[in-house]
Order: sequence, then structure tokens, then C-alpha cells
Amino acid sequence: AQSVTQPDIHITVSEGASLELRCNYSYGATPYLFWYVQSPGQGLQLLLKYFSGDTLVQGIKGFEAEFKRSQSSFNLRKPSVHWSDAAEYFCAVGVIKAAGNKLTFGGGTRVLVKP
Amino acid sequence: GAVVSQHPSRVICKSGTSVKIECRSLDFQATTMFWYRQFPKKSLMLMATSNEGSKATYEQGVEKDKFLINHASLTLSTLTVTSAHPEDSSFYICSAFKISDSAYEQYFGPGTRLTVT
Repeated sequence: AQSVTQPDIHITVSEGASLELRCNYSYGATPYLFWYVQSPGQGLQLLLKYFSGDTLVQGIKGFEAEFKRSQSSFNLRKPSVHWSDAAEYFCAVGVIKAAGNKLTFGGGTRVLVKP
Repeated sequence: GAVVSQHPSRVICKSGTSVKIECRSLDFQATTMFWYRQFPKKSLMLMATSNEGSKATYEQGVEKDKFLINHASLTLSTLTVTSAHPEDSSFYICSAFKISDSAYEQYFGPGTRLTVT
């Protein structure tokens, strides 16, 4: 079975500083990888996804992520953080490109942004 | 876009009563919807996969008689928490699956906060 690990439970960054959130997955074949953001009391919004092709994926809100097969990682980055980026971030893996695909989520990383 | 709504957004009920939560895909048809449960400061836990016109598939450890799922149409799935107890208090999130040439992803609803007193 697939699994996802987000090693950092909390990260605090200063506004304007860069941000990197780590995600490691475990799966025997090529996974479908996702990053979601959740604001307090809200549902999840998709930031970006990787299915195949270019391993550097651009998403919304200035985020990008890089798929590294050798490291089983899909880390999320943003060059300059805004106060509105304070939220919970979830990495997820899906294994089948089909309607029955189930996502497995990591434990999440809470991002706090200092003024 | 692809919008998924949930109703109600918040509900408080007394122990022993049942509560129904609706999940609707507003601008697309979804043959598959998912129901998740999220505990405070925790990740999402998949409860069940809801398939239009057929029985839901429950994850291990989820009581199907307690969490009744009905997916009667391509745009609506409902989750009914029967005989609710305080330990059922949680944030319930649904998602709907959309497949097209340019999209293959789950779209999440805004969630429903259930509090059982």
C-alpha cells in the first residue's frame, strides 16, 4: 500500500522568505502526486499535481513542486511567502488514473507566517 | 471550474439523533465521490467511496451501518450519521471526482463541522 510522509508538522517562515515543504511517498510504481492547501475550517484546494512529464510542476499562487523519483520525494516550494499563505498543506498520492482512485494523504504541515 | 458544495456547513445535534450531510457537484457529474473525516489538527481519513447507483465501499474500521452513504444521482451523495455520539464529532469533507481530457482530480467540498452534544 502507498503511504505519504510529511516530516515537518509545523514550519514558521517570515513574510517574503522562501518556503519548502517536504513530502516523501512510498509506492512501487509511478505515483500521481498532489499538493493541497487547507485554510482553517475550510475544504482543500489543489495547488498542483504531477502525473507524468516534466518533473518540475508549476501550480497556483506561485507554488511549484519537483518530483524526484530517486528520492521518492515531491517537495513543495515558494520563493517568497505572503501572509495569506499561512495554512495547512497536505501532500497526497494516488496510484490509479481512474474514477476509483483513492488518495492517501500525508499528515500535513502547518505553515505560520511571521510579519 | 469544478465546484463542490456541502450542506450544512455546521450542525449541532443531540446524542442519539441522526444527521444527514449533503455533497453536491454543482457544475459537473461525478460518478464517484469520497467521504473523509478530519480530526482536529490531523490529516484526512478516507471513510468511504460513494459510487452512483451502487453501494458505497467502506474503508476498514468504518462502520457502514453507522455512516450511511447514498449516491442517488450523478451530482449528489449524502452521508447520514446514525445515532450520533459525541465521539462522532468531527469535520466531514466530501470530494467529487472529475475526469476530462485536461482534468483528473478530486474537487473538495468546504466541509461540515458536526458537533454532537
